[in-house]
Amino acid sequence: AQSVSQHNHHVILSEAASLELGCNYSYGGTVNLFWYVQYPGQHLQLLLKYFSGDPLVKGIKGFEAEFIKSKFSFNLRKPSVQWSDTAEYFCAVITYGGATNKLIFGTGTLLAVQP
Amino acid sequence: GAVVSQHPSWVICKSGTSVKIECRSLDFQATTMFWYRQFPKQSLMLMATSNEGSKATYEQGVEKDKFLINHASLTLSTLTVTSAHPEDSSFYICSARDWLAGDTQETQYFGPGTRLLVL
Repeated sequence: AQSVSQHNHHVILSEAASLELGCNYSYGGTVNLFWYVQYPGQHLQLLLKYFSGDPLVKGIKGFEAEFIKSKFSFNLRKPSVQWSDTAEYFCAVITYGGATNKLIFGTGTLLAVQP
Repeated sequence: GAVVSQHPSWVICKSGTSVKIECRSLDFQATTMFWYRQFPKQSLMLMATSNEGSKATYEQGVEKDKFLINHASLTLSTLTVTSAHPEDSSFYICSARDWLAGDTQETQYFGPGTRLLVL
């Protein structure tokens, strides 16, 4: 079955540090890839998405992610985090080719940025 | 971006009563909406897929008679938790599917969630 794994459950960084959150999925066919963010007390918001084309996608708030098909990865990056980036980050994948196309979430990574 | 609303944002009810949660896509039409459940410190778990004008598709282990879903229009899906019990207490989140192009480019936009507490 398709699955999404996020390697880090908790990440603690100081402001201005660089961020990279890992995401791997298991599926060999067509995929749509997403990163969602959930700020404390708020709902899930779309950070960025990849459908096709340039594997380096840029999202809101300075985030970017790179799709590496050979590694089945879609890691999220930000060169310099801010305290306001403290949130939970979810990688998600939609796979195509099966009976139903479902959005499969990773377990999430809780990012805490220290001022 | 596309906006999805949910109502109510939180509800407290007595055991045995039914609770209805509404999910609306405000600025786009959604033939498909999804209902998720999120447990504390866990990821979202898909409960069911709501299709406008047809029956919902439930995930394995989700009781369709307990979680009634109605998708009566292109902008509204409802989830009714029937005969609620304390173990149904959770955070319920809906999403609406927006197609960009063709049939392999879609994005789900999420509602703010409804926190249900059954006493």
